[in-house]
Order: sequence, then C-alpha cells, then structure tokens
Amino acid sequence: KQEVTQIPAALSVPEGENLVLNCSFTDSAIYNLQWFRQDPGKGLTSLLLIQSSQREQTSGRLNASLDKSSGRSTLYIAASQPGDSATYLCAVASGYSTLTFGKGTMLLVSP
Amino acid sequence: EAGVTQFPSHSVIEKGQTVTLRCDPISGHDNLYWYRRVMGKEIKFLLHFVKESKQDESGMPNNRFLAERTGGTYSTLKVQPAELEDSGVYFCASSQDSRTGDTQYFGPGTRLTVL
Repeated sequence: KQEVTQIPAALSVPEGENLVLNCSFTDSAIYNLQWFRQDPGKGLTSLLLIQSSQREQTSGRLNASLDKSSGRSTLYIAASQPGDSATYLCAVASGYSTLTFGKGTMLLVSP
Repeated sequence: EAGVTQFPSHSVIEKGQTVTLRCDPISGHDNLYWYRRVMGKEIKFLLHFVKESKQDESGMPNNRFLAERTGGTYSTLKVQPAELEDSGVYFCASSQDSRTGDTQYFGPGTRLTVL
C-alpha cells in the first residue's frame, strides 16, 4: 500500500528565502507525482506534475524534482513571497488513476 | 474555461439524515474522481468514473455512500444515513485522460458537518 510522507509539517520563513519541501513515498512504481497548493477554505491548485520518466519540472520560481528509485521528491521555492503562504501537498499516482496524498506542509512566509 | 465546481460549499446535517453532494467537472473531461479529507488526516481517494462507468470504487468507505454519474456529465455523491465520522471536506476532481497520468483538476470542495 502506497504511503506518502511530507516533511516538515510546518515551516515559517522570512520573505526572500529559498526553501525546500520534501516528499517521500514507499512504492516506487508510480505513474506520476503532483505538487498542489491549497489556500485556506479553497480547493487544490495543481502546481507541477512530474511523469515517472522525468527528473524535474519547473514553473516560474518553483522547481520540483523526482528520484523514483529512492522514493523522493522535493519542491524548491526560490525567493519566497508572502503570497506563497499556503499548504503544499504532494500526491503520487501509483494506480490507474488513484492519487495518494501526503498530509501536507503548511508554509508561512512573513514580510 | 470554467473549472470544477461543487455544490454546496458547506452542509450541516444531523446524524441519520441524507445529504447529496454535486460535482460538475471541466467540460470534455471523461474522468471524474471523488476524494475526502477528514480532520487531521490526509486526502483520500473514494472513487473514479470514466464517463458514466465506475472505474475504481475501492476507496468508498461503506454502503452508506452512493455515487452516480448519469450521462457521463455531472456526478452526485449521496450519504445515507450520515454518521458523525462522515464529517470532512469532499473534493471532486476531473481529468482528460487518466491513461497518461494526466493532471487532475480539483474543485473547491464541500465541507460536510454531521452533528
């Protein structure tokens, strides 16, 4: 059974810092890995999707890497801003369609 | 283009009552998924429709939950009778092609509170 763990559970940084969020999964047989952002009371916004054959994806200040063999992914956020404050969720697709989520990392970027 | 929409946004009901949640996927998306997040836990998969057919319903907790997708468009998730442990946020998502591991687009969720 796939399990996804995200570390840290919460993170507080001053504006401008570069930061890394970690995600690990127990079963390396995955189709893809997605990083989502969730703002309080809102739905999930897809940030990046990495297919199992890929090593990384970039979108603006975000860069996500995937090491399938070791069961790890990282989300790198460059030059953090207060608007980046949200909960970040990692999810892996290890079945035909099912996403298995981690509990998330709650990020607070202070001005 | 409209995203995934869900109705209602909040629902408060008494234990034993029935509640029906609705999800409208992105137009043209054949795949529709239901997920649930209960307090303090991670988001968990409930089931997956391809058009009007249930592809995978392995995450449905018990037979008090009934999902339908008539005509392959919108979907409903009915909880009857509701129990206290059913409280949580129910998310719907849709994607174009599940075979290629396509991005799933999520709705804002329905927050269900069972008293």
